[in-house]
Amino acid sequence: GAVVSQHPSWVICKSGTSVKIECRSLDFQATTMFWYRQFPKQSLMLMATSNEGSKATYEQGVEKDKFLINHASLTLSTLTVTSAHPEDSSFYICSARGVVTQYFGPGTRLLVL
Amino acid sequence: AQRVTQPEKLLSVFKGAPVELKCNYSYSGSPELFWYVQYSRQRLQLLLRHISRESIKGFTADLNKGETSFHLKKPFAQEEDSAMYYCALSGLPGANNLFFGTGTRLTVIP
Repeated sequence: GAVVSQHPSWVICKSGTSVKIECRSLDFQATTMFWYRQFPKQSLMLMATSNEGSKATYEQGVEKDKFLINHASLTLSTLTVTSAHPEDSSFYICSARGVVTQYFGPGTRLLVL
Repeated sequence: AQRVTQPEKLLSVFKGAPVELKCNYSYSGSPELFWYVQYSRQRLQLLLRHISRESIKGFTADLNKGETSFHLKKPFAQEEDSAMYYCALSGLPGANNLFFGTGTRLTVIP
């Protein structure tokens, strides 16, 4: 089956630094990838849709200058949290769109001190 | 606006008992509905979708447009069914722009 990986699986950083999270489709090409955010005991909230070779589409309320998305190839999308602050601490999950469903990565836990 | 409601955060049933996880939705068009499952320490994965009308791991879900519901059912729960279940809606074909409910944690008691 289709596999999506994320790296790193967890990261701790100081406030004000930037953090990059990678999402890779390992055995298939994904023209569309999605980035979600999940707070404890809450549901997944779509942040943005990442399209290969074009700008990402951000959901309402998501700052595009804060969460930079790059989808430079058919197997890799990156999310960079710029100037991270403690309120950015969360669980970030990516997915890649297949034919009938989305295939999810294992998630990246970010803790900003 | 789209909305997916899963009224139960926690649900416990005994092994062998029937289980029903409720999902209600609000959407102005004709959405696609999905159930995703997340087992302990595993990633989120698709369980079933309404347009396929299939039974996966003994689970079925029927889309009731009149009641705007997509409840997940299984006649006899198994211990391995214990997991987090998310109902999701897509206004676009092919599972684009998924909107998730808050999830229900199912515990099957041996």
